Amino acid sequence: EAAVTQSPRNKVAVTGGKVTLSCNQTNNHNNMYWYRQDTGHGLRLIHYSYGAGSTEKGDIPDGYKASRPSQENFSLILELATPSQTSVYFCASGDQNTEVFFGKGTRLTVV
Amino acid sequence: AQSVTQPDARVTVSEGASLQLRCKYSYFGTPYLFWYVQYPRQGLQLLLKYYPGDPVVQGVNGFEAEFSKSNSSFHLRKASVHWSDWAVYFCAVRGNMGYKLTFGTGTSLLVDP
Repeated sequence: EAAVTQSPRNKVAVTGGKVTLSCNQTNNHNNMYWYRQDTGHGLRLIHYSYGAGSTEKGDIPDGYKASRPSQENFSLILELATPSQTSVYFCASGDQNTEVFFGKGTRLTVV
Repeated sequence: AQSVTQPDARVTVSEGASLQLRCKYSYFGTPYLFWYVQYPRQGLQLLLKYYPGDPVVQGVNGFEAEFSKSNSSFHLRKASVHWSDWAVYFCAVRGNMGYKLTFGTGTSLLVDP
């Protein structure tokens, strides 16, 4: 069974602090994604990657960085967290001819 | 740019009634289309997917969807809704050579007992 694991599952951060959300997949998929989910907006793509060492900007990349150090790991980094980044974040992995598998989400609150 | 529109933010149906959730996509080229379901406080699970071929695709739990190139649509249907179908449903599009998966804003399905 395809597996995408996110950590932490819940996080409270202070405004101006640095936050790192981690994602690990055991599917050997080339593509990985970070989305945020907000009421009224559905899922919006922040960054994605098509292999180790690559990162690409999605639709709403401002205020976020991404890192793909290996096939299995894909991190989302908030260098200076703001309250507007309070959201639920989902990591996902997939390939050209497969469905995209999602993690269970990380609930981030920036106070 | 690719996009997905789900015009209905909320749909209420009676248990046992039929269901259609609407999805319109915009993509220049051959689209790959998906319906995902999200149960409360969980991640997204795939219901069904369309890869170019038969326009009617079957999914899990009695769901099906029909691709229409002329209407740029990929509507989700179910003949008889069960209370356990109460969830949020997302339509998504991806290109055949692309990596980017774009979602609609979702439709909340409420089931009247």
